[in-house]
Amino acid sequence: EAQVTQNPRYLITVTGKKLTVTCSQNMNHEYMSWYRQDPGLGLRQIYYSMNVEVTDKGDVPEGYKVSRKEKRNFPLILESPSPNQTSLYFCASTRQGRSSNEQFFGPGTRLTVL
Amino acid sequence: KNQVEQSPQSLIILEGKNCTLQCNYTVSPFSNLRWYKQDTGRGPVSLTIMTFSENTKSNGRYTATLDADTKQSSLHITASQLSDSASYICVREDGGSYIPTFGRGTSLIVHP
Repeated sequence: EAQVTQNPRYLITVTGKKLTVTCSQNMNHEYMSWYRQDPGLGLRQIYYSMNVEVTDKGDVPEGYKVSRKEKRNFPLILESPSPNQTSLYFCASTRQGRSSNEQFFGPGTRLTVL
Repeated sequence: KNQVEQSPQSLIILEGKNCTLQCNYTVSPFSNLRWYKQDTGRGPVSLTIMTFSENTKSNGRYTATLDADTKQSSLHITASQLSDSASYICVREDGGSYIPTFGRGTSLIVHP
């Protein structure tokens, strides 16, 4: 089954404790991205990756890092989480078509930073 | 200011009724306008996609329309069901870019 998986689905942590949210896709897509979703603000892009070893900042990259060492995985790293990073996070993988690029979203990771 | 504005922010309707959600965008042209459905606690799933030159696209009880002159799109839901309760997100996509512009969504609640 074609899918995007994220782990963990739920995480409660404390300020300053480094964490990684994993994302994996089995569709052989080149393009992947990370979003955060906050009430009243909608989805905002954190980082995206056009291919292996190619990453770039989205709209809200501060406080986050990513890596793309292999095509299927795109982990999101919070080196020193802060309470303002409490949010719902989505990883997405993009199918590139002739006339449109469709994003497939993971199930989400709800992060709480105390 | 967000380039994609959705209204209403939230909507409550009775099961079986129709409803229409609105999406206004400020920048054109673009490649595609897409509507996503996001169930509570899950990731968004694509419902419909229209190119800049299309006027309407249907997916079952969901019909999206696009008016390039007024820069408006709407999503019409016919004979609503309880499972339609979700957030509906309008997204503007540029073919030359992989960075879509998301609206903030409309939260729809369908009551029995």
